[in-house]
Amino acid sequence: SQTIHQWPATLVQPVGSPLSLECTVEGTSNPNLYWYRQAAGRGLQLLFYSVGIGQISSEVPQNLSASRPQDRQFILSSKKLLLSDSGFYLCAWSSLGPNGNSPLHFGNGTRLTVT
Amino acid sequence: AQSVTQPDIHITVSEGASLELRCNYSYGATPYLFWYVQSPGQGLQLLLKYFSGDTLVQGIKGFEAEFKRSQSSFNLRKPSVHWSDAAEYFCAVGAGKGSQGNLIFGKGTKLSVKP
Repeated sequence: SQTIHQWPATLVQPVGSPLSLECTVEGTSNPNLYWYRQAAGRGLQLLFYSVGIGQISSEVPQNLSASRPQDRQFILSSKKLLLSDSGFYLCAWSSLGPNGNSPLHFGNGTRLTVT
Repeated sequence: AQSVTQPDIHITVSEGASLELRCNYSYGATPYLFWYVQSPGQGLQLLLKYFSGDTLVQGIKGFEAEFKRSQSSFNLRKPSVHWSDAAEYFCAVGAGKGSQGNLIFGKGTKLSVKP
């Protein structure tokens, strides 16, 4: 069966420090991968998605970046964190169906607090 | 553009009572619809999905949802709520062909269960 791992679970970082969140998927090949951010009362915001190694699409301009160095690995990074980067970050994967839609499967998230 | 509205931010029901969570969507074609549940500090778990066919879909944990095209709704129901159902619930719609599997989420409804 497919599983998705996200780490760390919680992270406290000072403003201006770098960030690296990692997500890996097991049990499937060539998944679509996604990074979402969830802020209180604002629902889920898509940050990045990837349909293959090295292919990254950004949905929201910001100081975050994403990379996909391997088929089942998705990394969210920042060179210098801002206070506004605090939030709950969720990684997800899907298998793209023939009609372009299929369920997303989420990791357990990373709670990031920028101080 | 696609959108999802969950009119109720917070609902409280008594244990054993019935539940209905509302979801309205905006989409030009036949939508792909999903309900997710999120426990505090956790990722999102898929409850059920609607792609086509029978408009009443059954999900996990005793939940069901009914797709009503005329009302652009996909309300989630459960006949008897358990205390463990307390969580936040998100409705989502597929963003359509070319979206690479992205989902558009509502802002969520928080469910509290009274003993």
